[in-house]
Amino acid sequence: DGGITQSPKYLFRKEGQNVTLSCEQNLNHDAMYWYRQDPGQGLRLIYYSQIVNDFQKGDIAEGYSVSREKKESFPLTVTSAQKNPTAFYLCASSDRDTLLATNEKLFFGSGTQLSVL
Amino acid sequence: DAKTTQPNSMESNEEEPVHLPCNHSTISGTDYIHWYRQLPSQGPEYVIHGLTSNVNNRMASLAIAEDRKSSTLILHRATLRDAAVYYCIQKDDMRFGAGTRLTVKP
Repeated sequence: DGGITQSPKYLFRKEGQNVTLSCEQNLNHDAMYWYRQDPGQGLRLIYYSQIVNDFQKGDIAEGYSVSREKKESFPLTVTSAQKNPTAFYLCASSDRDTLLATNEKLFFGSGTQLSVL
Repeated sequence: DAKTTQPNSMESNEEEPVHLPCNHSTISGTDYIHWYRQLPSQGPEYVIHGLTSNVNNRMASLAIAEDRKSSTLILHRATLRDAAVYYCIQKDDMRFGAGTRLTVKP
């Protein structure tokens, strides 16, 4: 089945450690996005990528980094500079950049819950 | 902050219709309104989207005001499986507010 796969489902980070969250899609979508969700809150945009080898910062990019070396993959690294990383992280994709093509639907993965030990 | 505003929570009885409102007063003439819903511990899923006309699909209907400053998601017969957080977003913004938490009572 086509879709977005996020792994792992649960992740624990030690103090000062970098961790990487995986996001893979087999929908052949050009655009991919990372969101952060805190309990009872909406989704906040961390980074997005419109095409391979290109990405832009969202509203809360500090303490995070991404890469987009392949169309199907958009991993997110939570660095030690992110002092409050505990949250639910969601990856999404769309056929084209939805900022430009606003009728494009977003498809979401099932999320990764990151907690600090 | 998100450009849309929604009530924090709503309740419905099972098998009754539910109308979920959303205000988007700053929307441009070419921007679509999208609705997504999120079950606990899952990613949001697409529900419906529209531009000017009312839209229907197998999940819901979307009624868009003539001035496009508000819209209403309509679930024609709520089921227990419809209990979720519903988000309305302007697609030029990509920001999801806190949404409306829908509780469905049996």
